[in-house]
Amino acid sequence: GAGVSQSPRYKVTKRGQDVALRCDPISGHVSLYWYRQALGQGPEFLTYFNYEAQQDKSGLPNDRFSAERPEGSISTLTIQRTEQRDSAMYRCASSLRGDEQFFGPGTRLTVL
Amino acid sequence: KQEVTQIPAALSVPEGENLVLNCSFTDSAIYNLQWFRQDPGKGLTSLLLIQSSQREQTSGRLNASLDKSSGRSTLYIAASQPGDSATYLCAVGGGGADGLTFGKGTHLIIQP
Repeated sequence: GAGVSQSPRYKVTKRGQDVALRCDPISGHVSLYWYRQALGQGPEFLTYFNYEAQQDKSGLPNDRFSAERPEGSISTLTIQRTEQRDSAMYRCASSLRGDEQFFGPGTRLTVL
Repeated sequence: KQEVTQIPAALSVPEGENLVLNCSFTDSAIYNLQWFRQDPGKGLTSLLLIQSSQREQTSGRLNASLDKSSGRSTLYIAASQPGDSATYLCAVGGGGADGLTFGKGTHLIIQP
């Protein structure tokens, strides 16, 4: 079946612009996670949802970052007023009920 | 705060050898541990999930063990092949549907 999908795969934006990154989890998966990965590092947890409820946003770096999952399926991670330090690979994962996590291909964000 | 360390950071071995990748974590109160494979420019592929109540899991030539009390896990790869070349990431889950805490990974090269 279809895995986790993310769009766009690549995003180049100018400093100060807002960006929205989309994640489409595996059908039926309750839990959805967002991570950020810098080059040469493991992914760093940002936030997660069970159904449409955001359970933990302690990993979001600052208030420019927000996420939503309004219907309990597709999720959007929004970064406002982007800065160069936001450049990274943004990864989304889903799990059936908080067990094994399956990752999407990621969105490579470059802020100029 | 949970910290995950992977040793070695890089490893290069001839084809056919058996090898062990190590992962250690600072807080033994984990819910599960997951091993991933990451290929350059691609997403993370889940290899094995070990629940906190389990001691090991096997999938084909891969065997992962977990010693929760000592904060250690190992990934054993038997009869290595060039196609096994990748970065291997260890990640621990803190509880329920919490996000994973990742190590920095072991970059593995299998020489033909």
